[in-house]
Amino acid sequence: GQQVMQIPQYQHVQEGEDFTTYCNSSTTLSNIQWYKQRPGGHPVFLIQLVKSGEVKKQKRLTFQFGEAKKNSSLHITATQTTDVGTYFCAGPGGSQGNLIFGKGTKLSVKP
Amino acid sequence: NAGVTQTPKFQVLKTGQSMTLQCAQDMNHNSMYWYRQDPGMGLRLIYYSASEGTTDKGEVPNGYNVSRLNKREFSLRLESAAPSQTSVYFCASRDRGNSGANVLTFGAGSRLTVL
Repeated sequence: GQQVMQIPQYQHVQEGEDFTTYCNSSTTLSNIQWYKQRPGGHPVFLIQLVKSGEVKKQKRLTFQFGEAKKNSSLHITATQTTDVGTYFCAGPGGSQGNLIFGKGTKLSVKP
Repeated sequence: NAGVTQTPKFQVLKTGQSMTLQCAQDMNHNSMYWYRQDPGMGLRLIYYSASEGTTDKGEVPNGYNVSRLNKREFSLRLESAAPSQTSVYFCASRDRGNSGANVLTFGAGSRLTVL
């Protein structure tokens, strides 16, 4: 079945360093979504990318959707302690387009 | 707006006991979902309900049952709990057909421990 793979599983950075997580799908996606889960919290929607090659920015966060619509990335510039959490990508798959989540990248930031 | 409300937040069960996790949403969403989250495994879909009156299996349905009681409520039942069902359970809802809101809204989660 369809798989969404995400790397790395963990990332430890010093505050101020950049961070990137990558997401790859085994099939072409109609769209890809990104969610953030703070420690002890629940996933919260960040953004949805739909177009091939699309790039969207939210302050220090930059999201990209690959030209082939099979991969995506999230880049955080100059990380802050408020960026700590697990970042998930998710793409529609299976019956009725239910979201399939990557396993997430857990980001820790050392002040 | 409360969004998606789950109860209980925490529960400890003994092996073989049964329990029901409750979920309600006040956003008039059509679709509702139950996920479980385990360390290193991400979010895995247990069951979903695309609309009131329908339910379908997800990736990991064994050991669970669900009921879509009405448009607002979607419950998850463990008939005979096993230690392998120790996890954090998230309920979510989604408004299908609305391109501006075709995303998942999650509840706060229910942390279940089976001894």
